[in-house]
Amino acid sequence: QKEVEQNSGPLSVPEGAIASLNCTYSDRGSQSFFWYRQYSGKSPELIMSIYSNGDKEDGRFTAQLNKASQYVSLLIRDSQPSDSATYLCAVKAGGYQKVTFGIGTKLQVIP
Amino acid sequence: DVKVTQSSRYLVKRTGEKVFLECVQDMDHENMFWYRQDPGLGLRLIYFSYDVKMKEKGDIPEGYSVSREKKERFSLILESASTNQTSMYLCASSQISGTNTDTQYFGPGTRLTVL
Repeated sequence: QKEVEQNSGPLSVPEGAIASLNCTYSDRGSQSFFWYRQYSGKSPELIMSIYSNGDKEDGRFTAQLNKASQYVSLLIRDSQPSDSATYLCAVKAGGYQKVTFGIGTKLQVIP
Repeated sequence: DVKVTQSSRYLVKRTGEKVFLECVQDMDHENMFWYRQDPGLGLRLIYFSYDVKMKEKGDIPEGYSVSREKKERFSLILESASTNQTSMYLCASSQISGTNTDTQYFGPGTRLTVL
């Protein structure tokens, strides 16, 4: 059973702080990793994709991948109240079209 | 921009009715997916299609069927709706796996209530 695990939260951080969201996965054949943001009542939207070990930065967001330890994380610097949402980790094995999603971590940024 | 549209935002049906949910994408994507999302259970894959007339079962296909007659359109069918199919239904599309091209793009979702 391929699994993607996330702490459902809520994770509460003060405005301006760094929010750290973590995800572990079980399938060592996984090759594509995604972070989606989902506001309440809305559909998921892609924030970051990462395919190789290390860090990938995009503005205030940094995705980190460690395939040996089978985890992927998302850092949000200078957190804003507008970042309050549920963050979904998604993982795809190479050669497959299906993506497995975690249940999501709810982030609350306190003004 | 990729655009994925779904036929309805909200739908209310009665137990036993046949229900059609439609999804259209405008980016010529090969893959299309149907998920349902429930509190505490996350996104669960119902069916997906990687080409016209091709389909594969996801994790929870029971009680559902799909149809893909045209590349841009993927329909989810509930043959006889039941109350446990009350959920948020999300359609997504993506290109065939390639180098950094396999992002899934989601439609706005259909909140289905079965009474």
